[in-house]
Amino acid sequence: QVQLQESGPGLVKPSETLSLTCSVSGASISSFYWTWIRQTPGKGLEWITDFYYTGTTNYNPSLKSRISVSHDMAKNQFSLKLSSVTAADTAVYYCASLPGSQTAMITFWGLGTLVTVSS
Amino acid sequence: QSVLTQPPSASGTPGQSVTISCSGSSSNIGSNYVYWYRQFPGTAPKLLIHRNNQRPSGVPDRFSGSKSGTSASLAIRGLRSEDEADYHCAAWDDSLSGPVFGGGTKLTVL
Repeated sequence: QVQLQESGPGLVKPSETLSLTCSVSGASISSFYWTWIRQTPGKGLEWITDFYYTGTTNYNPSLKSRISVSHDMAKNQFSLKLSSVTAADTAVYYCASLPGSQTAMITFWGLGTLVTVSS
Repeated sequence: QSVLTQPPSASGTPGQSVTISCSGSSSNIGSNYVYWYRQFPGTAPKLLIHRNNQRPSGVPDRFSGSKSGTSASLAIRGLRSEDEADYHCAAWDDSLSGPVFGGGTKLTVL
């Protein structure tokens, strides 16, 4: 059973950078594609980015200019940075796994972490 | 505003059947598989239906999915109180080159 756990600050100031890490257990990050998804009350679920350990990365065009993704094979973790945040970036952020590319099938989800953007 | 359109709410009484719709376009539902996720309050969504109408192991056959053109539906028969949850549809979008979601439907069992 693959388990994912998000970690990072729950409060970020406007204009600063949101940084989250996803720790994976039960599988190597070379086994699947990985994704970040967020959920807001007003907009529902929103795909942010997904990647494969080889470096193939896809971004939501509406967020692409502000996103940075990285991974650490040794720690079996991957990370998300979202720069220049505003109140609109307040959401529950999930890391999750995909069985392959070009799919909306999300097989395993993290518990989610609430990030609030406020001064 | 979500790319896929779902009704914000649905309801039914125990034992009844309910259907939740999901409307999209040719770039998503019209040309790709539809997935349904169920989400209980305070928890992450979980896969309920994949590839339009396939149930993962452990999902009872009371849940069924269908797709026609650019629309899809999730049907639940024999409603139970434990079916109260939010239901989200999703599909790959060829224009976005990423998955898109519906806004979610809150199902209430009266």
